Amino acid sequence: AQSVTQPDIHITVSEGASLELRCNYSYGATPYLFWYVQSPGQGLQLLLKYFSGDTLVQGIKGFEAEFKRSQSSFNLRKPSVHWSDAAEYFCAVGAWEVHSGGGADGLTFGKGTHLIIQP
Amino acid sequence: SQTIHQWPATLVQPVGSPLSLECTVEGTSNPNLYWYRQAAGRGLQLLFYSVGIGQISSEVPQNLSASRPQDRQFILSSKKLLLSDSGFYLCAWSVGIDYEQYFGPGTRLTVT
Repeated sequence: AQSVTQPDIHITVSEGASLELRCNYSYGATPYLFWYVQSPGQGLQLLLKYFSGDTLVQGIKGFEAEFKRSQSSFNLRKPSVHWSDAAEYFCAVGAWEVHSGGGADGLTFGKGTHLIIQP
Repeated sequence: SQTIHQWPATLVQPVGSPLSLECTVEGTSNPNLYWYRQAAGRGLQLLFYSVGIGQISSEVPQNLSASRPQDRQFILSSKKLLLSDSGFYLCAWSVGIDYEQYFGPGTRLTVT
């Protein structure tokens, strides 16, 4: 079965500084990878996704992520964070081949990284 | 455009009481529907998913059940709540073979 590890439970970054959130996955074939953001008490919003092709993907709110197959990683980056970026960030993987029906299966999520922005 | 609704937004229920959470999607047809539970520090856990009316797949054995009486309606139920059922319940939808899922605002359930 696939799994996702987000090694950092909490990360504190100064406003204006760069950000990198780590995500490692375990899956035998090419995964479908996602980053979601969750503000307190809210649902999840999709930041970006990787299905295939260019391994550097751009998302909303100035975020990007790079898929590195050799490292089984899909780290999220932002060159300059804003106070409004404080939130919980989740990495997720979808495994196409696990069941028939492809994308109808649910995603497997990491436990999340809580991002704190210092003024 | 598509929208997803969940209600109630918050719910406090005693142990042993029944539960019914509702999720509806607008602006799309034949969506795949999902129920996730989010417990503190544990990320999101997939509970149920459905690819069509009356078709429910359970990922985790528990005292919860799900039903899909209409194409765009997904209901999460329990006959008797446990303390461990407390959490934040999220409904999500996707279309066809697209893995991209869209989440509702969630329901905060506290079992006392």
